[in-house]
Amino acid sequence: QVQLVQSGFEVTKPGASVRVSCKTSGYTFTEYYIHWVRQAPGQGLEWVGRVNPLSGAANYAQQFQGRVSMTRDTSISTVYMELHSLTSDDTALFFCARHDLRLRMFDSWGQGTLVTVSS
Amino acid sequence: DIQMTQSPSSVSASVGDRVTITCRASHRISNWLAWYQLRPGKAPNLLIYGSSTLQSGVPSRFSGSGSGTDFTLTINNLQPEDFATYFCQQGSSFPLTFGGGTKVEIK
Repeated sequence: QVQLVQSGFEVTKPGASVRVSCKTSGYTFTEYYIHWVRQAPGQGLEWVGRVNPLSGAANYAQQFQGRVSMTRDTSISTVYMELHSLTSDDTALFFCARHDLRLRMFDSWGQGTLVTVSS
Repeated sequence: DIQMTQSPSSVSASVGDRVTITCRASHRISNWLAWYQLRPGKAPNLLIYGSSTLQSGVPSRFSGSGSGTDFTLTINNLQPEDFATYFCQQGSSFPLTFGGGTKVEIK
């Protein structure tokens, strides 16, 4: 079955960077975009961006432009999200999700990675 | 960007109740609307897509309706495992956007 397994809890300092991974299995990796979604404490869901596993091309939400990068390693069916210049406002749960482009929905999600930014 | 306004932000209900959650889009999105359930410590779960299509494996007590700008998620015969937070999401245009969430709590 389709699985998305994310890397574990991260604690980091303001100004630093963090990289979260999302390992996929159970389907052809290059056939579905992987998106990242953020949930800050007590807040709703916020789209961060997406990566095309076939081409490696990525698109980002405007508020993250310039400090986020999404990449992939096709040899291990894994997608990465790196967020730079972290502030305490970036403390959040980050989810990766597989996007069905035809039906325009997220049909499988990772379990979430908690990123805590604290001095 | 398309804004998604979800209401109520929280609702208290009992097992066996019916709960209705609404989602309004700031622009017409046809039927490109999905609903998700979030429970603490678990991956989000797709319930409904295309406004009204039940995802495989999701109990039939969940249903969705609407088109254009106004959408509804209904949970009939609320079960203990349904106490969670629910989000709508528009798939019409980028950036993809979500409603603010509705927490369904035990009365």
